[in-house]
Amino acid sequence: DAEITQSPRHKITETGRQVTLACHQTWNHNNMFWYRQDLGHGLRLIHYSYGVQDTNKGEVSDGYSVSRSNTEDLPLTLESAASSQTSVYFCASSEGGLGTTDTQYFGPGTRLTVL
Amino acid sequence: RKEVEQDPGPFNVPEGATVAFNCTYSNSASQSFFWYRQDCRKEPKLLMSVYSSGNEDGRFTAQLNRASQYISLLIRDSKLSDSATYLCVVIFRGGFKTIFGAGTRLFVKA
Repeated sequence: DAEITQSPRHKITETGRQVTLACHQTWNHNNMFWYRQDLGHGLRLIHYSYGVQDTNKGEVSDGYSVSRSNTEDLPLTLESAASSQTSVYFCASSEGGLGTTDTQYFGPGTRLTVL
Repeated sequence: RKEVEQDPGPFNVPEGATVAFNCTYSNSASQSFFWYRQDCRKEPKLLMSVYSSGNEDGRFTAQLNRASQYISLLIRDSKLSDSATYLCVVIFRGGFKTIFGAGTRLFVKA
């Protein structure tokens, strides 16, 4: 079955380290998204991509970067982890393209702790 | 003012009750609307899309009021398994911006 996966599911790191969170989808969806979820804020969009080689900043993109080298993967990199980036991170994908819905499907999440 | 606002609750209701949630949005250019359900420490899952004509899926009914800029979710005959957080989602196709409400927490009690 097609799916969207994230790894690792849990990560503990130290301030200043570079961290990469993986997201992989097998639906062949054009659009992929990264969100963070914190108490009191709900889900906030970090970056999104319409397709290969396309990336765009979301609401809370400072300190994060993404790259899209193929359809299936959108890794999220924290260049220099900060304690404020302790959060739960969700990846999502949607079909994209004319005539499709905007429905997004989410991965299981990665719980990141920055000490 | 937040672009998408929900009553955070919590709503505490007995089994069998009918409960309604509202969600308001500020940008009239909003294009697509959804309700998602999120269980504790899990990913959000699509509950239903929301259309101007209204749509129903079993015990769940969703409505969109573009003139007043709000969407609603009605749950009839509540079950214990309906206990979760319900998120409204608004997508602005022009800028491809996705905004989640902070969620409304529902507890259904036996």
